[in-house]
Amino acid sequence: DQQVKQNSPSLSVQEGRISILNCDYTNSMFDYFLWYKKYPAEGPTFLISISSIKDKNEDGRFTVFLNKSAKHLSLHIVPSQPGDSAVYFCAASALTGNQFYFGTGTSLTVIP
Amino acid sequence: KAGVTQTPRYLIKTRGQQVTLSCSPISGHRSVSWYQQTPGQGLQFLFEYFSETQRNKGNFPGRFSGRQFSNSRSEMNVSTLELGDSALYLCASSGTVTNTEAFFGQGTRLTVV
Repeated sequence: DQQVKQNSPSLSVQEGRISILNCDYTNSMFDYFLWYKKYPAEGPTFLISISSIKDKNEDGRFTVFLNKSAKHLSLHIVPSQPGDSAVYFCAASALTGNQFYFGTGTSLTVIP
Repeated sequence: KAGVTQTPRYLIKTRGQQVTLSCSPISGHRSVSWYQQTPGQGLQFLFEYFSETQRNKGNFPGRFSGRQFSNSRSEMNVSTLELGDSALYLCASSGTVTNTEAFFGQGTRLTVV
């Protein structure tokens, strides 16, 4: 039972444009969300996080939006750069627990 | 500060054998989690250890086991290997009690033939 879902396996975007990666979750107990970026042959690296008390968090070109009522979060990358090409995983946890639930990932390709 | 180190990076085993994977967390981190990554399945949680105790366990058969040592290093063991166990096994360490952020190693690519 996949509690965190990324329904788009892949996304292609032109350099300089906005990339929007989406993630849905089913467990209302989740109150902490993260995005990870993964290059081939490397482990995932932490990108940005958001707790359920906020609906937006920004870090440079990366912004995460959380819509708790829709159980949906999204990652916006503006402007997109070729180096952003990677697989992006969203993850969720309940701070009372110690387990991250990951989505299946979205492969982003930024076209120069 | 050294990152999370996983050994070996690559492993080829035969069906029915067993395998042990190792993970050294970031210095000072007491939590170590293990994940299995297969195509189309994302990262599936195996188990998490904190101060030598298993705190949480995912939905994997008993052939998958782990342990954590007093220096926080962790090992994962898979017995009676099956072809479907071929995957990238990732270890993550966390320095906070509630694991607000996990730092991943490069993973061990296990191939079962």
